[in-house]
Amino acid sequence: DADVTQTPRNRITKTGKRIMLECSQTKGHDRMYWYRQDPGLGLQLIYYSFDVKDINKGEISDGYSVSRQAQAKFSLSLESAIPNQTALYFCATSPGTSGGGGETQYFGPGTRLLVL
Amino acid sequence: SQQGEEDPQALSIQEGENATMNCSYKTSINNLQWYRQNSGRGLVHLILIRSNEREKHSGRLRVTLDTSKKSSSLLITASRAADTASYFCATDATGTASKLTFGTGTRLQVTL
Repeated sequence: DADVTQTPRNRITKTGKRIMLECSQTKGHDRMYWYRQDPGLGLQLIYYSFDVKDINKGEISDGYSVSRQAQAKFSLSLESAIPNQTALYFCATSPGTSGGGGETQYFGPGTRLLVL
Repeated sequence: SQQGEEDPQALSIQEGENATMNCSYKTSINNLQWYRQNSGRGLVHLILIRSNEREKHSGRLRVTLDTSKKSSSLLITASRAADTASYFCATDATGTASKLTFGTGTRLQVTL
């Protein structure tokens, strides 16, 4: 979805390096998410943010940090990369609804990260 | 941990046949969604079914939900080669503030 962009699309780094993955959206959504996908598996939630001042840990936040710089921008950092963080990383957004009505999430194209 | 599990893990059919994928989950939900992922690409939302709904249609897609069995199925009718992708169910569990938990996916291969 071109409304959600991720940079870089591919990244190779070395163990111990700090790296940042960036996500931008033009959908005007309040909610943003970072997921990790390992080969052959589903997505696991790393962090999520329901607005600029609201940051929450997901299932697998250890070794990661995030920054919500603006409504449109949500960055994921690997403080000290390790090989088992090699994965496909996705950013997603959703509009935010109340009353349990459900939300569709809109995904970026992904960043393929290789940690050597 | 994965809330949902899809079955089968992989499915190979011929063009024109129907494809059925199943999803089982563990806890009470507000809604269940199905997403499609082409190889290495981002996920695309297909359809959402709420906990008080039993069946929903969208084009060639038919989704059913049985909350008593905590299961859902996705039927793709008259499949096409372009339907080749991985399909994931995702649950919006009650009390989780609309976070989605994804299953492990079904890889569908449609051959000519």
